[in-house]
Amino acid sequence: NAGVTQTPKFQVLKTGQSMTLQCAQDMNHEYMSWYRQDPGMGLRLIHYSVGAGITDQGEVPNGYNVSRSTTEDFPLRLLSAAPSQTSVYFCASRLPGRAEQYFGPGTRLTVT
Amino acid sequence: AQKITQTQPGMFVQEKEAVTLDCTYDTSDPSYGLFWYKQPSSGEMIFLIYQGSYDQQNATEGRYSLNFQKARKSANLVISASQLGDSAMYFCAMREGTNFGNEKLTFGTGTRLTIIP
Repeated sequence: NAGVTQTPKFQVLKTGQSMTLQCAQDMNHEYMSWYRQDPGMGLRLIHYSVGAGITDQGEVPNGYNVSRSTTEDFPLRLLSAAPSQTSVYFCASRLPGRAEQYFGPGTRLTVT
Repeated sequence: AQKITQTQPGMFVQEKEAVTLDCTYDTSDPSYGLFWYKQPSSGEMIFLIYQGSYDQQNATEGRYSLNFQKARKSANLVISASQLGDSAMYFCAMREGTNFGNEKLTFGTGTRLTIIP
């Protein structure tokens, strides 16, 4: 099992550009989430999904879109990147009813 | 109001000593879960231990134990016999509600633990 994988590892964008952060898991986890980690602030939830076709907003959803067409994949789209979106992005997944989430290695995004 | 508070930004501990990392939480939901994650310098988030609000006993996982004091709303992580590899950032987190359908984990700001040889 590869667990939770994220691509790319690093990305630099210019303000206004769009891009998609990829997240995939091979553990058949129904629940998947996206977090961002900013210095000194811990992780904050952006969007999450409890199954294919079902998504919902977290604490900081503005500027991000998600969709979930398969159990395995949960991409995060930045529609028009802003410097405030410079952060490290983590994808996570888990099974329903199980407490622990498994995190991917993260994507470090810089918006100039 | 802060839901998760970690008051120790940094700690230095001698190798082989035990260490306690503090975490207090705030919730009015009777059902919740408390987590500790480790983030080494390489950046990944590693799940360490979980405590449910209805669990009668403190959770333990190898050298990690969670000192759960419900009335005081504290969930301190205890690492016994610390090792150099324990040097990392440690995050306390909480999920309110049950483990079904609720994905919001609220994280504290973390404690940076440094183990001194």
